[in-house]
Amino acid sequence: HVQLVQSGAEVKKPGSSINVSCVASGGGLNSYTINWVRQAPGQGLEWMGRIVPIFGAAHYAQQFQGRVTFTADDSTNTAYMELSSLKPEDTAVFFCVYQERDVSSWGQGTLVTVSS
Amino acid sequence: DIQMTQSPSSLSASVGDRVTITCRAGQDIRSDLGWYQQKPGKAPRRLIYAASRLQSGVPSRFSGSGSGTEFTLTITSLQPEDFATYYCLQEYNFLWTFGQGTKVEVK
Repeated sequence: HVQLVQSGAEVKKPGSSINVSCVASGGGLNSYTINWVRQAPGQGLEWMGRIVPIFGAAHYAQQFQGRVTFTADDSTNTAYMELSSLKPEDTAVFFCVYQERDVSSWGQGTLVTVSS
Repeated sequence: DIQMTQSPSSLSASVGDRVTITCRAGQDIRSDLGWYQQKPGKAPRRLIYAASRLQSGVPSRFSGSGSGTEFTLTITSLQPEDFATYYCLQEYNFLWTFGQGTKVEVK
């Protein structure tokens, strides 16, 4: 049973970058596809993209292209999401997600607050 | 990108009511759709996958139907713990799009 544990909440300045980690337990990361989802306060869920660690391949949703990078470290079973050029409107909870057939596992979420 | 139109955006219901939520896809997505429940401060929880398959551990009062472009989530007898926000998610070709969400509130 896959479990995902994310890094803790952070406060960042506008223009800076954030790196959120997502540690997978219950199997090697190379077995998974990890998706990332953003949820602004009081808003809906927004898909950011996905990474397939075994291929080192990532796909980014259009609205995040150029600003987000997904990476993965199989030796530590950790996936990372880096979002750059942060704006106050990037304040949100970020989730990592693994889903495959009848398995669905979400990280607990990481709150990123962007404020000067 | 495939657009998902979810309706209604909110509804008021009482315990024991039958509740229906609909998602319409902008193109044929076969059965690549799931339904999620989210409570405040929590990660979403998948209820239904592949349009109609019940996720393990989810009560049988939840059911999903549809294929192609029209999908429905039904709660047959609403329970107090079901007041939450519900989202559909299409996963066609591994490119995800969420519906806008439906908030189920106490009448």
